[in-house]
Amino acid sequence: DARVTQTPRHKVTEMGQEVTMRCQPILGHNTVFWYRQTMMQGLELLAYFRNRAPLDDSGMPKDRFSAEMPDATLATLKIQPSEPRDSAVYFCASGLARQATPQGTTPFFGPGTRLTVL
Amino acid sequence: GQNIDQPTEMTATEGAIVQINCTYQTSGFNGLFWYQQHAGEAPTFLSYNVLDGLEEKGRFSSFLSRSKGYSYLLLKELQMKDSASYLCAVRPFTGGGNKLTFGTGTQLKVEL
Repeated sequence: DARVTQTPRHKVTEMGQEVTMRCQPILGHNTVFWYRQTMMQGLELLAYFRNRAPLDDSGMPKDRFSAEMPDATLATLKIQPSEPRDSAVYFCASGLARQATPQGTTPFFGPGTRLTVL
Repeated sequence: GQNIDQPTEMTATEGAIVQINCTYQTSGFNGLFWYQQHAGEAPTFLSYNVLDGLEEKGRFSSFLSRSKGYSYLLLKELQMKDSASYLCAVRPFTGGGNKLTFGTGTQLKVEL
């Protein structure tokens, strides 16, 4: 069945290192979201793309985070340099927004990348 | 801004019915979602309400009152596997906006 896939599932790194997380959205979905989940803040939207174009990245710390969609089957979230406060689970989600439903789409979540920055 | 409130924890008995409430205050409203999240797993979509009333899907139902800024998720015939966190999320904008704002979740524990 169709699922969002994410790699790696777990990542432990040291402060200052670059971290790249990858996501393959469900085939045919045109909207991709990056969320971050922590115990304190819950689920927060970092950025989202429609048809590979960034629509909103206001939730993302611009100085160290970047998100891209090199093609329709790959979305990346990069942190450089990483800091201990970035430790969280990062979820990618995808959805299909149609012209007939301009109100938006339902996000379907991938399994997440659990990031630990020491 | 957006504010979403849910109880932090609830406990219920296997076979019983439980209602998880969610209240919200948002700038505009364009739909409310419920997700289920088991520990260590991804959130799984359960239901979506955009109009007032009750949406039923098997053992799960979701209700919305836009005038009251209120929703609930009703789980019937509880099973042990229903022990999970239940997340309420609101989409505040119209015109294609997709910025779902999530509550912090209600941790449901189902006991024998």
